Amino acid sequence: NAGVMQNPRHLVRRRGQEARLRCSPMKGHSHVYWYRQLPEEGLKFMVYLQKENIIDESGMPKERFSAEFPKEGPSILRIQQVVRGDSAAYFCASSPFTNEKLFFGSGTQLSVL
Amino acid sequence: AQSVTQLGSHVSVSEGALVLLRCNYSSSVPPYLFWYVQYPNQGLQLLLKYTSAATLVKGINGFEAEFKKSETSFHLTKPSAHMSDAAEYFCAVIRGANNLFFGTGTRLTVIP
Repeated sequence: NAGVMQNPRHLVRRRGQEARLRCSPMKGHSHVYWYRQLPEEGLKFMVYLQKENIIDESGMPKERFSAEFPKEGPSILRIQQVVRGDSAAYFCASSPFTNEKLFFGSGTQLSVL
Repeated sequence: AQSVTQLGSHVSVSEGALVLLRCNYSSSVPPYLFWYVQYPNQGLQLLLKYTSAATLVKGINGFEAEFKKSETSFHLTKPSAHMSDAAEYFCAVIRGANNLFFGTGTRLTVIP
């Protein structure tokens, strides 16, 4: 049973470009979470999704950021018009139910030049 | 809202010495508390979790944590540090609909 798969592992973008981060949850998991880890800071919650629904997006910046978890395919975290401050490690996690153990992916390191 | 605070961003211990990583929580309701470990270039792994069943929680790799309501603490301990324990450790609390709120992390260095 493969773990949570995130790709790409490293993503380099120039300012103004779009970044698309993908997350495939563990088999049988319908809950996906995105976190951002900035240097010298802890993980910050961004968004919690179930299949086709956004449950909690209280941690998402109001502009340029969006997330989806379609019926088929991976969850996508999309950042439009990236800025240097978006450079961070983005982690995805999944769980089968609420209040259950989260399984984390290895993250995507986004670097904005 | 529930939150956690980790005291000490860096902790160094000698191999074989006691490991103590501090976490204090703030919660108006009985909290669900977690300790996660992050090894270099990897995602987080769950070490242990507290769900009110027992105040002393045993986790993987010899780690344990004790929930102390009177001190609002959930410190992580290990009797004898190994070199392989060097990593970043995060305390976390559930807030809202399974939204994990993480502390800022403590980097553990083990000195041979």
